[in-house]
Amino acid sequence: EPEVTQTPSHQVTQMGQEVILRCVPISNHLYFYWYRQILGQKVEFLVSFYNNEISEKSEIFDDQFSVERPDGSNFTLKIRSTKLEDSAMYFCASSEVGQNYEQYFGPGTRLTVT
Amino acid sequence: GNSVTQMEGPVTLSEEAFLTINCTYTATGYPSLFWYVQYPGEGLQLLLKATKADDKGSNKGFEATYRKETTSFHLEKGSVQVSDSAVYFCALTSFSSASKIIFGSGTRLSIRP
Repeated sequence: EPEVTQTPSHQVTQMGQEVILRCVPISNHLYFYWYRQILGQKVEFLVSFYNNEISEKSEIFDDQFSVERPDGSNFTLKIRSTKLEDSAMYFCASSEVGQNYEQYFGPGTRLTVT
Repeated sequence: GNSVTQMEGPVTLSEEAFLTINCTYTATGYPSLFWYVQYPGEGLQLLLKATKADDKGSNKGFEATYRKETTSFHLEKGSVQVSDSAVYFCALTSFSSASKIIFGSGTRLSIRP
């Protein structure tokens, strides 16, 4: 069964450093998403991406964040200058069509900022 | 705005007990409703869904019915197993919130042998 993959599974970085989290969505999917889950808290939407541009973003997704689909398979989330409060589990998801179609989630990348 | 409120945890039950995790929602329009499960150390998996009023989603012995009149989508299972221990998230999407999923705060379920 096709699945969303994410790398790395765990990333440790120092405050102020840039990180890139990588995702490979399911191949025939057209919508891509990033969510995050701070330890012990709810899963929060960050951004959705369609047709090579952001279709929606949350208040969390400020100028420190960016997303890119650099080739036909990868979807990346970049945090330019990490802060302690960016420590969280980051989930990538993809779906065939945006509204009300099932989103398939990857296993997540745990980001630890020290 | 749209939101999901679910039963606070943790919930601890004995094996073979009956499970109910309450979930209510606030949304404009006609949302689709979901239950996601997160097993220890793993990502989010869709457990079941319902896309319109009175629909019943079911999977792995779990059920939830979309109740528009009470804006609820309670998760139930008749006989839980130790392997059901996980965190359960109620969630919704709606046209007014585009394609993003809005999650509840999660309920941690622990099953004693």
